[in-house]
Amino acid sequence: KAGVTQTPRYLIKTRGQQVTLSCSPISGHRSVSWYQQTPGQGLQFLFEYFSETQRNKGNFPGRFSGRQFSNSRSEMNVSTLELGDSALYLCASSSGGLLYEQYFGPGTRLTVT
Amino acid sequence: KQEVTQIPAALSVPEGENLVLNCSFTDSAIYNLQWFRQDPGKGLTSLLLIQSSQREQTSGRLNASLDKSSGRSTLYIAASQPGDSATYLCAGRVNNYGQNFVFGPGTRLSVLP
Repeated sequence: KAGVTQTPRYLIKTRGQQVTLSCSPISGHRSVSWYQQTPGQGLQFLFEYFSETQRNKGNFPGRFSGRQFSNSRSEMNVSTLELGDSALYLCASSSGGLLYEQYFGPGTRLTVT
Repeated sequence: KQEVTQIPAALSVPEGENLVLNCSFTDSAIYNLQWFRQDPGKGLTSLLLIQSSQREQTSGRLNASLDKSSGRSTLYIAASQPGDSATYLCAGRVNNYGQNFVFGPGTRLSVLP
């Protein structure tokens, strides 16, 4: 079974631009969660999508948004990029069932200059 | 607000030692707990998942326990090997509806040959 894939793996953007990251979950998984990882704040939960609906949301500003498609693939968008948005963005896939075991992708390294 | 601490922050041991990593939650209302390892610059690899009704899980040389009453979990690694060198993170699911995990800051483990 293929694992979680994220594209692109690396990205360099300029402050003020916007960016879209993509995540393809494990086949059959309906839940996709997004996390931001920085050296200072560690891993922080952004939001979770399940069956195309946002089910949980972390404490991030509205510049961070996401969506999920009918094939469970998910995209995350960050508008008006700030230097502090530089981070490793990880997505996690889960069946959404009672076990809720998460499987992570390799991440997208975003650098904002 | 749920907060997670991990002790120690870093650990360096000679190969072959048994070791214990600790994880504590400020709120004992944890539904599931998952342990991960992360290699530098990479995504997270799931090690063990303990459901809320369980007290421990074992996989090979790894054993994880969960004491919900005290909000504590431990990860025991037996007969450590240099390949175990990584950062170990614990994560607790903080509500019973969907994926909303809170992560600890991690323990950086170095196993010396």
